[in-house]
Amino acid sequence: SQQGEEDPQALSIQEGENATMNCSYKTSINNLQWYRQNSGRGLVHLILIRSNEREKHSGRLRVTLDTSKKSSSLLITASRAADTASYFCATDLTGGGADGLTFGKGTHLIIQP
Amino acid sequence: EAGVTQSPTHLIKTRGQQATLRCSPISGHTSVYWYQQALGLGLQFLLWYDEGEERNRGNFPPRFSGRQFPNYSSELNVNALELEDSALYLCASSLALTGLVYEQYFGPGTRLTVT
Repeated sequence: SQQGEEDPQALSIQEGENATMNCSYKTSINNLQWYRQNSGRGLVHLILIRSNEREKHSGRLRVTLDTSKKSSSLLITASRAADTASYFCATDLTGGGADGLTFGKGTHLIIQP
Repeated sequence: EAGVTQSPTHLIKTRGQQATLRCSPISGHTSVYWYQQALGLGLQFLLWYDEGEERNRGNFPPRFSGRQFPNYSSELNVNALELEDSALYLCASSLALTGLVYEQYFGPGTRLTVT
């Protein structure tokens, strides 16, 4: 079953603009991870944020986590054409990987040059 | 450092046949996870192997099985293939971080087509 739900399903913006994607989930989690997938290929790990963290940065990426609202957001600043991909949030319920990661259906991001 | 590798890249099988997919984790990783990404269903957790043992499985029938070898590589077997088994199968490996929080690193996937 899907734990995370990304919003929007698709997003098209101009190069240089910021892109924001949201993820909501249903149950308590240990951590939440964001991944990128290019053209139906393997997933690239972007950021892991633990349940006791509120914000993390990595380069042009900023992730927030609000456990009271069971939601997370991924912000990509100064977008580039190479950022065109599908972005998934994945929740880890236990932290030990015992249940695998539960993924949402993803946001398809298109950066127009 | 080499990433997670999977073989074959593509696999075409006929309904009722068996498929075998292979995965080599990142060196030093002991856990291997398998996921299915089927059109319209998203990424779903299939199996977790750690230290040679199956530790957990997702909501999939027993005809999805596998094993992990002493070198931590893994094999996923799908028996009695059905058309709806057509999907991208992703393997991931992980290494424990402090506090038992795992990041999973994914391979490029094997695209299985059942005709």
